[in-house]
Amino acid sequence: AQSVSQHNHHVILSEAASLELGCNYSYGGTVNLFWYVQYPGQHLQLLLKYFSGDPLVKGIKGFEAEFIKSKFSFNLRKPSVQWSDTAEYFCAVNADNAGNMLTFGGGTRLMVKP
Amino acid sequence: GAGVSQSPSNKVTEKGKDVELRCDPISGHTALYWYRQSLGQGLEFLIYFQGNSAPDKSGLPSDRFSAERTGGSVSTLTIQRTQQEDSAVYLCASSGDYYNEQFFGPGTRLTVL
Repeated sequence: AQSVSQHNHHVILSEAASLELGCNYSYGGTVNLFWYVQYPGQHLQLLLKYFSGDPLVKGIKGFEAEFIKSKFSFNLRKPSVQWSDTAEYFCAVNADNAGNMLTFGGGTRLMVKP
Repeated sequence: GAGVSQSPSNKVTEKGKDVELRCDPISGHTALYWYRQSLGQGLEFLIYFQGNSAPDKSGLPSDRFSAERTGGSVSTLTIQRTQQEDSAVYLCASSGDYYNEQFFGPGTRLTVL
């Protein structure tokens, strides 16, 4: 079965700092990749997704992620974070041998200090 | 509304009781999913419905858990003889297109005393 690892469990940054959150998955076949965000008190929302094509995908609120197949990675980046980016971020994978279910990473809690 | 809705938002029950959690997917979405979010376990897949096909139950943790989807729309997740380890936030999601972009509801927070 596939698994998803997010190595950073807690990240604390100051406003305007750059962000990179790691995501690695363990599956050698075709995957669809997602980043979801959960703001305090709110439900999960999709930040961005990768299905095929350009491995650098751009999402909402200035976030982007790069799919590197050789590294089984889909890291999330943002050049300059804001206080409002404080949230929990989840990487998720849908593998072609797993129907339509998503396998989620353990999440990364980001705190941005004003 | 335009989004996935779930009820109740919070449920407190006593160990051994049965509970039912409800999910209303986005209108027109053919796929519906249940996940569980708990401390220490993260987000876990429970069950998946796609149209009229037999559901994928591979994520259900025990036979105390069951779910049904009536008329291809509303779904109910039932937990029988609840245990304290069932305490978690139960999330429902739906999707409507080939690319499986899942839209999540606000969840039901279940507390088993």
